[in-house]
Order: sequence, then C-alpha cells, then structure tokens
Amino acid sequence: SAVISQKPSRDICQRGTSLTIQCQVDSQVTMMFWYRQQPGQSLTLIATANQGSEATYESGFVIDKFPISRPNLTFSTLTVSNMSPEDSSIYLCSVEDGLSYNEQFFGPGTRLTVL
Amino acid sequence: DQQVKQNSPSLSVQEGRISILNCDYTNSMFDYFLWYKKYPAEGPTFLISISSIKDKNEDGRFTVFLNKSAKHLSLHIVPSQPGDSAVYFCAASGGNTGKLIFGQGTTLQVKP
Repeated sequence: SAVISQKPSRDICQRGTSLTIQCQVDSQVTMMFWYRQQPGQSLTLIATANQGSEATYESGFVIDKFPISRPNLTFSTLTVSNMSPEDSSIYLCSVEDGLSYNEQFFGPGTRLTVL
Repeated sequence: DQQVKQNSPSLSVQEGRISILNCDYTNSMFDYFLWYKKYPAEGPTFLISISSIKDKNEDGRFTVFLNKSAKHLSLHIVPSQPGDSAVYFCAASGGNTGKLIFGQGTTLQVKP
C-alpha cells in the first residue's frame, strides 16, 4: 500500500490567514483526494485532485476557499484560505493506488485550529 | 442528507467476545463498501471491504456482512482484542468515481 505523509501535522492559526497543507506519496498515483473531519463528525470529501486537470470540488466546497494544486503524480497541496474558527478540523489526503478497487489509503492528517 | 449512517456512536465489549458494528445506507447506487479503523492522531486505516455482488467477506477476525435489500452492512470482530479499540468508519462508493461517503463512526472499546 502507498505510504503518505502530510505537513504540517498540526497548526494553530489566526483567523483571516491561510494555511497550505502538503501531501506526499511514496509512489505515483492517479487519484488523490482531500477530506475534512470536523470535531465529532465524519470524514467529508472536499475535492478530487487529478494530475493535469483542475480539481473537482464537492458540493459546499469552492476553489477560492480551498485551492488545490497537483503538480505531479506524487504530490498535492490544499490551501485553507481566509480561515475562520469554523475551519478548525483535521484535513486528510488520501490516494487510490489503482491496484485495489476503491480502496483509499490515508495520510496521518493535519490538525488545524483557528483562533 | 446523510447517505451512510452509523447510528451507534459507541460500543463497549469484553475482550474475547464478538463486536458487531452496524452501518445503514440510503443510496442504492452504492456498489462497494469499506470499513476503516482510526486511532487518535492517525489517518484511517483500511480494514475490509465488500462488493455489492457479495453478501459476506471474511479476513481473519474480521467479517463484513451485506444485506442489500435492507441497505445494511455490519462488521463482526471475533474475538475482540483490546488493540481493536478505535473509531470504526463504514464508507460506501458507487459508479467507479473513487469518491467515498463515510458514516459518522462508532467508537469501539474492548475491555480486558
């Protein structure tokens, strides 16, 4: 299975600022995903990030708020822009390795607290 | 609209006994179901999955049962071990989109 790392692992930010989260995979993967887990809630898909195309956002998420880059097959970034306390969540990236149908492997997550 | 629901937020069982975690879904287009385990400060770890063409899949101590007519699946862990204590999420996908829809999670505590 793919090994995924995320940076930073956690951060505390002031409202109105932006944070960029990095996701690095140890192998080339086609499909990468970004999820959010708000306190006490389930994992919610933010967007699908495929290399060479614009990210596809889920209902309720927009590019201006969560811009995503996918410069190659092993790396992606998610930016949380103009943060407010409601953005306090765990942000996770995941990948589908293409070998196991629909099985996704997750990074350790980035715990974001917005004051 | 919660398409995947785990109605029990927590479950406590004795070591060695069976743990049964339940999950219901509403979208009949889902064709693949997965269970993930999550420890604090870690990302979810894939446990076991089942295709909609099957009604049972077993892997060691873990068995997933699917009842399509009831739109219900369950994860059985037997025998339960203290190391199984974690949050368990069920997830569903459909149409080869790669998107996973997660339930709210059930916190399992296995007591020694």
